Amino acid sequence: GESVGLHLPTLSVQEGDNSIINCAYSNSASDYFIWYKQESGKGPQFIIDIRSNMDKRQGQRVTVLLNKTVKHLSLQIAATQPGDSAVYFCAEIFTGANSKLTFGKGITLSVRP
Amino acid sequence: GAGVSQSPSNKVTEKGKDVELRCDPISGHTALYWYRQSLGQGLEFLIYFQGNSAPDKSGLPSDRFSAERTGGSVSTLTIQRTQQEDSAVYLCASSSQWRPSGGYTFGSGTRLTVV
Repeated sequence: GESVGLHLPTLSVQEGDNSIINCAYSNSASDYFIWYKQESGKGPQFIIDIRSNMDKRQGQRVTVLLNKTVKHLSLQIAATQPGDSAVYFCAEIFTGANSKLTFGKGITLSVRP
Repeated sequence: GAGVSQSPSNKVTEKGKDVELRCDPISGHTALYWYRQSLGQGLEFLIYFQGNSAPDKSGLPSDRFSAERTGGSVSTLTIQRTQQEDSAVYLCASSSQWRPSGGYTFGSGTRLTVV
């Protein structure tokens, strides 16, 4: 079946450095990808999304890159701040009938002061 | 409302009892999802409602789990004869259209503990 997975379970970065969180997906039919941030005790919060007709999208301090050839998704966070410490999930979906998000296991980002 | 609201935020129940978890989606959102998140794990899809279509129940782990959505708005997830392995955070999300942009909006979840 389809699956979405992350390469690393934890990531520790120095405050001010850039962070890169990677994700592999397996469903080549997926046409919409989302990154979520989940802080302790809260539900996942939308960060940024990208459609399969794009390979890069930028937000405020975040950039998502999509490589459909190798089915790889990454989230780049510029100038990482302590408030960025959280669990990050990638999710994929084929936006057809009965579509639903499939999530990876998540990666914990820890920012060192 | 301003966001997705879930209640209760925490629930402790004895093994074998039934529980009901409630989700109030964002007003006007036609799609509603239930996910389950075990400690330190990702989100496991449970059930999906879209408008008046038959719900996608393919993620429900057993027949002890059921969900309803009344009037296209509030949803209730019911777990009968709870087991310890049901302990998890149950998350609800809603979206405004069939092909969502901006992702789904999640509630803060209900933390269920079965003792």
